[in-house]
Amino acid sequence: GAVVSQHPSWVICKSGTSVKIECRSLDFQATTMFWYRQFPKQSLMLMATSNEGSKATYEQGVEKDKFLINHASLTLSTLTVTSAHPEDSSFYICSARDWEDDSYEQYFGPGTRLTVT
Amino acid sequence: AQKVTQAQTEISVVEKEDVTLDCVYETRDTTYYLFWYKQPPSGELVFLIRRNSFDEQNEISGRYSWNFQKSTSSFNFTITASQVVDSAVYFCALSAPGGGKLIFGQGTTLQVKP
Repeated sequence: GAVVSQHPSWVICKSGTSVKIECRSLDFQATTMFWYRQFPKQSLMLMATSNEGSKATYEQGVEKDKFLINHASLTLSTLTVTSAHPEDSSFYICSARDWEDDSYEQYFGPGTRLTVT
Repeated sequence: AQKVTQAQTEISVVEKEDVTLDCVYETRDTTYYLFWYKQPPSGELVFLIRRNSFDEQNEISGRYSWNFQKSTSSFNFTITASQVVDSAVYFCALSAPGGGKLIFGQGTTLQVKP
């Protein structure tokens, strides 16, 4: 159980275009999802916390208008990178918390590798 | 502020050697959770262990063991008789209850040579 999927697993896009990444909890409901970014050979950095039915909470330094997050249902959160630039190329990982699980464990998706040319 | 420090950037060992990965954390919370994750080259994070701040018992799972010491704010991870398949990046992370967000350490790259 506790499976989180991400789609797509990798994407290449041209500079200036927008890219949407989906994060789904497959076998549980997630009121809270998290979006992380990981540059090569670096650690995971939290970008934002996504709460179902409300606005996302962004970490300091993360541009809200550039990284749009929508948590429309208890099983789906999306991250849209708008007007992507080469410096946005990174590995994006989502995680989800099971709302019935008070262990505070996060279940991670397999990640999406974004390359902006 | 919360912080996790993994001072070892890279470790290289020969197969069958034991290896310990260090993790030191900082937090003002009295209740918190500590985690270890493995990230193989594929990129997907693999959950290894969760420990809450009230449980200082050491844990062993097969070749893996963890030593949690609140007095030194450390949560070290030991792999016994390492294998090539253990080669990966290992992350220690800290989470406070309620908010749930994870603060990751810088990661330690472990290379196990045959």
